[in-house]
Amino acid sequence: SAVISQKPSRDICQRGTSLTIQCQVDSQVTMMFWYRQQPGQSLTLIATANQGSEATYESGFVIDKFPISRPNLTFSTLTVSNMSPEDSSIYLCSVSKGGTYEQYFGPGTRLTVT
Amino acid sequence: KNQVEQSPQSLIILEGKNCTLQCNYTVSPFSNLRWYKQDTGRGPVSLTIMTFSENTKSNGRYTATLDADTKQSSLHITASQLSDSASYICVVSSYNAGNMLTFGGGTRLMVKP
Repeated sequence: SAVISQKPSRDICQRGTSLTIQCQVDSQVTMMFWYRQQPGQSLTLIATANQGSEATYESGFVIDKFPISRPNLTFSTLTVSNMSPEDSSIYLCSVSKGGTYEQYFGPGTRLTVT
Repeated sequence: KNQVEQSPQSLIILEGKNCTLQCNYTVSPFSNLRWYKQDTGRGPVSLTIMTFSENTKSNGRYTATLDADTKQSSLHITASQLSDSASYICVVSSYNAGNMLTFGGGTRLMVKP
């Protein structure tokens, strides 16, 4: 299994500012994922972050708005830049472990933009 | 386009009763289907994962079924408890694009005493 922690757990931010969300895993993993979950909705994949390479972004998400770092096999950050109220969501970090289909999710970061 | 549809969107049942949640998918090529439970304010937690060859899998009071021919799955909850109140998300994985996951919209279950 994998235990994932995220910081902060929640934040209220002003329009136009940026927030960096941290994701820490208790074991080394190759693939890390960042998801967004808007109120009352299911999860949408933002990007896949592999260590040692640039993150791969899904349609509708761009690096300038959601820069991602992946400095090692247990840590990643997602920055939400130049925030607007439409960015108010829960942001979840997720990892998969090689050799299994299991995917584990962090507790999420609840972001409110005013 | 890969899609996962869940029904009902929400459900209220009394404690101790059984319920069944439905999931229909149009994901190809199919790799596996997962059911997750997401408590309010938490990340999703895996309940079951089924591959093409499996048609039923249990995890305690949760039993998932899969009919790969009709592309349908169900999650049956037996003798519901208040702690079962959560969203249940059906997720289907495709062999394409590195096992890309397609998420259903979820069923929000409320168990009342």
